[in-house]
Amino acid sequence: SAVISQKPSRDICQRGTSLTIQCQVDSQVTMMFWYRQQPGQSLTLIATANQGSEATYESGFVIDKFPISRPNLTFSTLTVSNMSPEDSSIYLCSGRWTGLEQFFGPGTRLTVL
Amino acid sequence: GQNIDQPTEMTATEGAIVQINCTYQTSGFNGLFWYQQHAGEAPTFLSYNVLDGLEEKGRFSSFLSRSKGYSYLLLKELQMKDSASYLCAVRGAYSGAGSYQLTFGKGTKLSVIP
Repeated sequence: SAVISQKPSRDICQRGTSLTIQCQVDSQVTMMFWYRQQPGQSLTLIATANQGSEATYESGFVIDKFPISRPNLTFSTLTVSNMSPEDSSIYLCSGRWTGLEQFFGPGTRLTVL
Repeated sequence: GQNIDQPTEMTATEGAIVQINCTYQTSGFNGLFWYQQHAGEAPTFLSYNVLDGLEEKGRFSSFLSRSKGYSYLLLKELQMKDSASYLCAVRGAYSGAGSYQLTFGKGTKLSVIP
């Protein structure tokens, strides 16, 4: 199976600041995704990270709040901007190769005070 | 849109068999996945069904009925380490964004007791 790493693993941030989460995969992936998992909830797709172009956002998520970059096939970043306590969540990077399986990174646990 | 339902919690005894059900209503269907997620960890892939029937993989089996919009995950010979959340996820219609996307259910928290 593939290896996906994320940095940081966790952070505590102040309201109004921004945090950039990095995702690195160990081989070139077809697709990369960013999910959010709020406490006690399941995974919600934020966006599909597209290489070299703007990410595709799901309903309820906008680029100004969650800018995403994907400069190459193995790396992506998600920024949570102008944070509020409602943004406290686990943010997960996910990758899918040419097969059917979709793998997840270990997640970044964000707490906003 | 997609709607996925699964029980919130289940409890079973070590060594026993447990079946976790998932029902779905989707605008398109290109497969159903089961993931296991231990507390504080990322989801890990368990199984994938796209055709009707049973897929077996060791102690874990997954069943799909597309006509009924129904799937189950069967765990045999339960072990304490199987205590986790089990997520049902449906891959819907092609999104036009270059990918089929997964929609997750809220997960079933399974507790295995001695």
